Amino acid sequence: SQQGEEDPQALSIQEGENATMNCSYKTSINNLQWYRQNSGRGLVHLILIRSNEREKHSGRLRVTLDTSKKSSSLLITASRAADTASYFCATDPNTGGFKTIFGAGTRLFVKA
Amino acid sequence: DAGVTQSPTHLIKTRGQQVTLRCSPKSGHDTVSWYQQALGQGPQFIFQYYEEEERQRGNFPDRFSGHQFPNYSSELNVNALLLGDSALYLCASSRGNTIYFGEGSWLTVV
Repeated sequence: SQQGEEDPQALSIQEGENATMNCSYKTSINNLQWYRQNSGRGLVHLILIRSNEREKHSGRLRVTLDTSKKSSSLLITASRAADTASYFCATDPNTGGFKTIFGAGTRLFVKA
Repeated sequence: DAGVTQSPTHLIKTRGQQVTLRCSPKSGHDTVSWYQQALGQGPQFIFQYYEEEERQRGNFPDRFSGHQFPNYSSELNVNALLLGDSALYLCASSRGNTIYFGEGSWLTVV
């Protein structure tokens, strides 16, 4: 199974509301990243949080990491219709390898 | 500065045929990874190339092969195509922790 699993699978909110997506993973990691993907297009890197960090901000994005629970959350504040996309967490397992493992994603719909 | 470029953007192949997808990494990036993304799923790691060598491989059969050239560009080859190979194939380049993705190549196998 995949290393990262996002929850919920889909989320529908009104413009202006906050959106929270969660990610759980199985093994110890070096870092965790969040990506965004508009329908059928490439992924865009949003934010990276290292295993020794607990919280990170970037504009309207806030990411938390709890390594004891092997989980992370992505909060998008004051959402906009343009935030409609799929969001993926990705982990670099601390196993000496080089691959980045993605979850199945959360599909966010922001209604204007 | 061009980002990661992939070609072709869309293609249709017949079951049993072979396909080659191409990727040019972002300037200054020496590492290229390939991912397969089926509809509604997250990207699945195929393999990564660094210094023209396959550095790590995911759970994909030998029908999937690749190459990295001295200019760091890369190719993904898939032989004996199956209907299940239909997907978006993403190339990502990196130098350090930040990964940049191309827009992908949509492969449809009929």
